[in-house]
Amino acid sequence: GENVEQHPSTLSVQEGDSAVIKCTYSDSASNYFPWYKQELGKRPQLIIDIRSNVGEKKDQRIAVTLNKTAKHFSLHITETQPEDSAVYFCAATPPDTGRRALTFGSGTRLQVQP
Amino acid sequence: SAVISQKPSRDICQRGTSLTIQCQVDSQVTMMFWYRQQPGQSLTLIATANQGSEATYESGFVIDKFPISRPNLTFSTLTVSNMSPEDSSIYLCSAGAGNRDTEAFFGQGTRLTVV
Repeated sequence: GENVEQHPSTLSVQEGDSAVIKCTYSDSASNYFPWYKQELGKRPQLIIDIRSNVGEKKDQRIAVTLNKTAKHFSLHITETQPEDSAVYFCAATPPDTGRRALTFGSGTRLQVQP
Repeated sequence: SAVISQKPSRDICQRGTSLTIQCQVDSQVTMMFWYRQQPGQSLTLIATANQGSEATYESGFVIDKFPISRPNLTFSTLTVSNMSPEDSSIYLCSAGAGNRDTEAFFGQGTRLTVV
């Protein structure tokens, strides 16, 4: 089955700096890679996703890059703000074979220092 | 995006009892899933809830402990049976957006404490 590794486990940055979180996956057939933000006591919220036919996707201060050859993808947050502080999870899912459950990374606790 | 309502939001239960968690989606979805998130940890898939057939369980999870129902395309339940303190966790349901889309949205979670 799929295995997703995520680094770093914690990340502390100064407000205004950039933050980068990296994930690798094992199943070369995986074709969908979402990122979730989870604030304390709340549900995971989808913040951005990328499919395997795209190398990069950007949404305002958030971008995701995908390297299919190396089987890794990254989340980039620019101009970080204190409200970006949360736990971020990457995930991967295989093609539509009837089982499209997500396999999650271990999470990254991002703290943005004001 | 689908709106998912999950209840109860939290409960404190005695060991040996069972708790049923309900998940309601505001639109028909093909796929529904149940995850467990232990404190400070990532999400682990328990099972895929299949409409009209038995759920598909992941390694380490069994039907006798976590029976699941999926009577239609908008509703599912997860029961945590014969609970022990080790079952204390957050349980989350998730639903896909449709046949071709794989975006997954989550219910607000059920925080279960077993005493």
